[in-house]
Amino acid sequence: RKEVEQDPGPFNVPEGATVAFNCTYSNSASQSFFWYRQDCRKEPKLLMSVYSSGNEDGRFTAQLNRASQYISLLIRDSKLSDSATYLCVVTNRDDKIIFGKGTRLHILP
Amino acid sequence: DVKVTQSSRYLVKRTGEKVFLECVQDMDHENMFWYRQDPGLGLRLIYFSYDVKMKEKGDIPEGYSVSREKKERFSLILESASTNQTSMYLCASSLLASGYNEQFFGPGTRLTVL
Repeated sequence: RKEVEQDPGPFNVPEGATVAFNCTYSNSASQSFFWYRQDCRKEPKLLMSVYSSGNEDGRFTAQLNRASQYISLLIRDSKLSDSATYLCVVTNRDDKIIFGKGTRLHILP
Repeated sequence: DVKVTQSSRYLVKRTGEKVFLECVQDMDHENMFWYRQDPGLGLRLIYFSYDVKMKEKGDIPEGYSVSREKKERFSLILESASTNQTSMYLCASSLLASGYNEQFFGPGTRLTVL
């Protein structure tokens, strides 16, 4: 099993819809979790950290399920500007940082 | 705002050339990283550094070396460039010596080796 796995997509979603995608991780001792966003031909940028209790930032909600070893990202009322690749990042107890390969999201007008 | 800059956005080199990629951060961050990003393979860590003159191998260090003589600067060196090193190279920095911290990325250098 790969350390961090994401559905590569693309997810083609109409504007205004809700979209969610998951990221699974293999190491049960993983300590911290993040979602990064990468626009086409740009560098990745932190979107949000993922806390055990879940967290919300505007239209974005991130959740962690330790029992099933996955994190999720939910985007409500999607905008054209949400089109990007979303990278899942997991840090293990030894501080090893692992990036997923990303999920491509296309918001359709 | 943290700024991470890379010396070139695009670079074309020939097989066998020695290539230097420079990265500078302006926020006194402890950690610096070099990644390469390829379609279908995602981001892969080449080397990282927790302090000046310190370096640690990442997942794919073969064919690369690094130098960190000053805290703000982290250089990636391709001793003898090969075509399979054609890639997007991304530098990143983070504040503390821990993986819990946000990484700030530079704009990337797209290297083509002919």
